[in-house]
Amino acid sequence: TQLLEQSPQFLSIQEGENLTVYCNSSSVFSSLQWYRQEPGEGPVLLVTVVTGGEVKKLKRLTFQFGDARKDSSLHITAAQPGDTGLYLCAGDTGGFKTIFGAGTRLFVKA
Amino acid sequence: DAGVIQSPRHEVTEMGQEVTLRCKPISGHDYLFWYRQTMMRGLELLIYFNNNVPIDDSGMPEDRFSAKMPNASFSTLKIQPSEPRDSAVYFCATAEGPGELFFGEGSRLTVL
Repeated sequence: TQLLEQSPQFLSIQEGENLTVYCNSSSVFSSLQWYRQEPGEGPVLLVTVVTGGEVKKLKRLTFQFGDARKDSSLHITAAQPGDTGLYLCAGDTGGFKTIFGAGTRLFVKA
Repeated sequence: DAGVIQSPRHEVTEMGQEVTLRCKPISGHDYLFWYRQTMMRGLELLIYFNNNVPIDDSGMPEDRFSAKMPNASFSTLKIQPSEPRDSAVYFCATAEGPGELFFGEGSRLTVL
């Protein structure tokens, strides 16, 4: 069974701090996505990474895909209260079947 | 485009009743997914369709659950009979292909 494990499960930090969220698996994924979900809404895509070792930046967010395409990380620089939410990693197992990690719930205090 | 539209947004029902959740996908998206989200188990893939045909239903919990996609613009997820452990938020998501999924706002189901 393919599984995506995210850590930490919960993170509460002060505005301005940096943080890193991890997504790990024993399986290889053809692509990996990061989503953000706010209460009462569905997840919204932040980024897709495809190539092993790939690094993508989205303003204060930096995403990295592991060389072996089994793991990924999300780093947020100078977190803001607007970054609060549930961060989900998702892996495409091939055949368009996408599975999700359990998520990291981030709370940024002003 | 209006995005993925789900109904109802909230449903409260009693154990044993039939529940039908509905989804209207984004026009042109050939893939449709039904997910269930709970605090304990996160987002679980129940079933997905390609061009209205069910491709993988291995995530459907048991025979009480069924899903249909009679045409490209409509899908249903039915639970009959419902049980309290079915309480969750059910999401419909669609995609043009591999990669980005577009989610609806979800249907929150409470079974008493």
